[in-house]
Amino acid sequence: AQSVAQPEDQVNVAEGNPLTVKCTYSVSGNPYLFWYVQYPNRGLQFLLKYITGDNLVKGSYGFEAEFNKSQTSFHLKKPSALVSDSALYFCAVRDRGFQKLVFGTGTRLLVSP
Amino acid sequence: EAQVTQNPRYLITVTGKKLTVTCSQNMNHEYMSWYRQDPGLGLRQIYYSMNVEVTDKGDVPEGYKVSRKEKRNFPLILESPSPNQTSLYFCASSYDRQGTEAFFGQGTRLTVV
Repeated sequence: AQSVAQPEDQVNVAEGNPLTVKCTYSVSGNPYLFWYVQYPNRGLQFLLKYITGDNLVKGSYGFEAEFNKSQTSFHLKKPSALVSDSALYFCAVRDRGFQKLVFGTGTRLLVSP
Repeated sequence: EAQVTQNPRYLITVTGKKLTVTCSQNMNHEYMSWYRQDPGLGLRQIYYSMNVEVTDKGDVPEGYKVSRKEKRNFPLILESPSPNQTSLYFCASSYDRQGTEAFFGQGTRLTVV
């Protein structure tokens, strides 16, 4: 069965510092991996995805994520955090044989001025 | 503008009173699904639909019904709501192709008293 783990409920970072939001996954084969962001009172917005190819994928708002097959991880990163990045971030995985998207429990990112 | 529209955004109802949450997408997506979001549990899939007249259960289907009579619409029906169905609900849609990201509605916050 597919599963996603986001080990941190909350990540705190100062504005201007680099940020990392962690995600590990478990699927039976090669995965499709996604990051979504949820701002207060809003739906989920797609940030980026890994399908195949380069292990470092770039997405919206300056975010990037690194796919590591040996560690089954897909950590979200940004070189310099902004206060406006404060939101709830979800990692999701889709097994290549299925349409179902399985989400992690979410990580709240708090960027302080 | 490409979007997924849910209505209503907020709903307070009483136990046992049937309700329907509507979902409509304007992107001609084949795949649609419903999720509920609860603190500490992330998003869990309730039902999904691969195309018109094709629906199937997700991880937490008990107490819910869906229908897909038209490609653009995927309503969520609670025949007899109970307090444990108090949650934040999201509708999502995507193309039925591997690796495509999902688009989410703004969410419906349901309270059952």
